[in-house]
Amino acid sequence: QVQLQESGPGPVKPLETLSLTCAVSGFSISRGYSWDWIRQPPGKGLEWIGRISHSGSTYYNPSLKSRVTMSVDWTENEIYLKLSSVTAADTAVYYCARDPEGAFDYWGRGTLVTVSA
Amino acid sequence: DIQMTQSPSSLSASVGDRVNITCRASQGISRWLAWYQEKPEKAPKSLIYAASSLRSGVPSRFSGSGSGTDFTLTISSLQPEDFATYYCQQYEDYPYTFGQGTKVEMK
Repeated sequence: QVQLQESGPGPVKPLETLSLTCAVSGFSISRGYSWDWIRQPPGKGLEWIGRISHSGSTYYNPSLKSRVTMSVDWTENEIYLKLSSVTAADTAVYYCARDPEGAFDYWGRGTLVTVSA
Repeated sequence: DIQMTQSPSSLSASVGDRVNITCRASQGISRWLAWYQEKPEKAPKSLIYAASSLRSGVPSRFSGSGSGTDFTLTISSLQPEDFATYYCQQYEDYPYTFGQGTKVEMK
């Protein structure tokens, strides 16, 4: 059974960098597929952040592109998200998901990141 | 960006009811559309991809239809576990975008 688990350091201060990890179990990310990050601000809808392929190529949402970096560690079987210069607008539940061809088949439960001084 | 508009934003229904949720794309997306179910404190669940293909393990009371700009998610007989929020998502073009969600509540 494929499982994804997001984790992060907790609250982030404005203008700092948000760093999240997505640990994948039940599937080796080196085998294929892309891996995406999606977020949901409180009381709002879902926003796609970007994707990284198993080979490391990336595509980011243009609205966040200047602040986003995604990476993978095949040995740890983890995917990473960094979002720089955060503001209160970046407060959200952040999800990672497996992406076979654009339609996500497995999601994590998400992790709430609060940006606050 | 391709805008996805869902309707209604919420609905009240009873167990056994037939429920239809529509999703309209601002431009043609062929059949590159997925549907997801979201419940509090749980991972979103993939229901349908390619507009009408049911994910393995998803009950057959869920079905999807449509192509181009207009799509529908149908729950043929609503069950207690189906009260949730549903989202459509297009993956015809980057950036991927979602509808605003439809909350299905108990009448």
